[in-house]
Formats: sequence, C-alpha cells, structure tokens
Amino acid sequence: SQTIHQWPATLVQPVGSPLSLECTVEGTSNPNLYWYRQAAGRGLQLLFYSVGIGQISSEVPQNLSASRPQDRQFILSSKKLLLSDSGFYLCAWSASSSMGQFFGPGTRLTVL
Amino acid sequence: GENVEQHPSTLSVQEGDSAVIKCTYSDSASNYFPWYKQELGKRPQLIIDIRSNVGEKKDQRIAVTLNKTAKHFSLHITETQPEDSAVYFCAASWDNTDKLIFGTGTRLQVFP
Repeated sequence: SQTIHQWPATLVQPVGSPLSLECTVEGTSNPNLYWYRQAAGRGLQLLFYSVGIGQISSEVPQNLSASRPQDRQFILSSKKLLLSDSGFYLCAWSASSSMGQFFGPGTRLTVL
Repeated sequence: GENVEQHPSTLSVQEGDSAVIKCTYSDSASNYFPWYKQELGKRPQLIIDIRSNVGEKKDQRIAVTLNKTAKHFSLHITETQPEDSAVYFCAASWDNTDKLIFGTGTRLQVFP
C-alpha cells in the first residue's frame, strides 16, 4: 500500500531564515505531487504541483519554491521566511489526474 | 477557471440528526468530485468521491449526490455522531487537469 511521509512534523523558525520541507511517497511510481498551505482555521491553498521529475507548476507567486529531485520526493523551500509563511504545510499525492489526492501528516511551521 | 462554492460555512446538529453540505461548481467539464474530512490538527482524509457518470454513491452513513444539470453535489451524513465533528471540504476536477479545486470548507459540530 502507499504511504506518504513529511518531515519535520513541527518547525519554529525566525523571520529571514531558510526553509526546507521534505515529502516522500512509498508504494507507487510516477505520482502527481502537491504542496498545500493551510492557515489556521482556513482552507487549502495549492502552492505547487508536479507531474514528473523536474516538472514544477507554481500556483501562487511568493517567496517559496519547490523541487522534485526524485520520482517520489518533493521538497518545499524558501531562502528567507516571512511571518506570513506560518501555517500548516501539507503534501499530497495522486495516482494521476482527475483522481483523489492523499495527504501526508503535515508540517506545522511557525515563523517568529 | 473552475470555481467551487461550499455552503454552509458552519453547521451544528444534534447527535442522531442528519447533516447536509452542498457545493456548486462552475465548469460543466468537471467530472470528479471528492469529499474530505479534516479533524482538528490532522490531515484531510478522503471519505467518499463520485464521478459524473453516477448520480449517487453511498458508504454506510455517508452519501454523495450529484446533479450535473444544476452543477451541484452534496454530502449527506445520517445518524450523526460526535466523532463526525470536523471540517469537511468538497472538491472538483476534470480531465486534462492535474489539480483539485477545493471548496472553502464546512465546520460541522455534532452535539451529544
């Protein structure tokens, strides 16, 4: 069966520091991969998605970037965090387009 | 582009009563409609989905109905229990897209 991992689970970072969040999927090949951010009590904001290695689509222009160095690895990065980057970051995968997405456990990021 | 509206934003019911959450979509090409349940502090979990070639789908106490003409779909929860309390998100997708378009969420509270 497929499993999705995210780390770290929680992170507290100062403003202006860099960020690297990692997501890996097991048990499937060539998944679609997604990064979402969820502010407290709010909905799901799609940040990036990828349909293959090295292929990244950006949904929201901001100080974040994403990379997919391997088939089942998706990384979210920032060079300098802002206070507004605080939130719950969720990675998700799907087998293909127009199918259900399955979410990882999330990373709770607090920028101070 | 596709837009998904979800109502109500909050819903309170007595244990044992039914709950209905409704979503409307704008793109008639949409053909896949999943529903997610997110408990406090947890990841969203896919609880049921429906495709456009089906009008209704049921899984124990939850059911989803789809009206393609009116472009709306609904989640029905019968015999609600306190553990049904969560935020529910609807979403829509269509062929040739790699994304899900999410509704804004409904906070369901089931009182004992």
